[in-house]
Amino acid sequence: GAGVSQTPSNKVTEKGKYVELRCDPISGHTALYWYRQSLGQGPEFLIYFQGTGAADDSGLPNDRFFAVRPEGSVSTLKIQRTERGDSAVYLCASSLSGDVGETQYFGPGTRLLVL
Amino acid sequence: QQQVKQSPQSLIVQKGGISIINCAYENTAFDYFPWYQQFPGKGPALLIAIRPDVSEKKEGRFTISFNKSAKQFSLHIMDSQPGDSATYFCAAKYSGAGSYQLTFGKGTKLSVIP
Repeated sequence: GAGVSQTPSNKVTEKGKYVELRCDPISGHTALYWYRQSLGQGPEFLIYFQGTGAADDSGLPNDRFFAVRPEGSVSTLKIQRTERGDSAVYLCASSLSGDVGETQYFGPGTRLLVL
Repeated sequence: QQQVKQSPQSLIVQKGGISIINCAYENTAFDYFPWYQQFPGKGPALLIAIRPDVSEKKEGRFTISFNKSAKQFSLHIMDSQPGDSATYFCAAKYSGAGSYQLTFGKGTKLSVIP
């Protein structure tokens, strides 16, 4: 079956602009996660959705970052007033129901470059 | 505060050799420890995982060894192959209130040379 897909695969923007990154999870997966991976680092948690609701947004670095999942499937990560420090790979992952022992399946990521 | 510390940062192993990557954690509430493999330009993919009620788990050439008292776990890759060249991340999560987010180590870049 299809895995987690993310679009765009690459995004170049200018400092101060607004960007949206999209994640299409595996069909039927209710749990969805966003992570950010800086160069040479492990992924860092941003936000977790259980269904349509953001169950944990403790990883969002500041109020410029926001994410939605209005119908419990596709999610969009939104970054306002982008800064050069936002440049990273943004990874989306999904799992069946969010239980502790479940595998989180990752998408290929969106590489964001802020000039 | 880095909750999962991973070493070494990079590793070069001869084909057929054993690759060993180590991780240490601080939060005793962690109760699930996966290892992920990541190739350039791809997202991480689960390789093998262990719960703290067992000390070792083996799947093919990959083995996790877990030491609960020392709060350490390691990945052993037997008969390492050039196709194993990738970055490996240890991770941990716990089933406390809130989300089951993964906390990752910084990664180990493995190069297996022919």
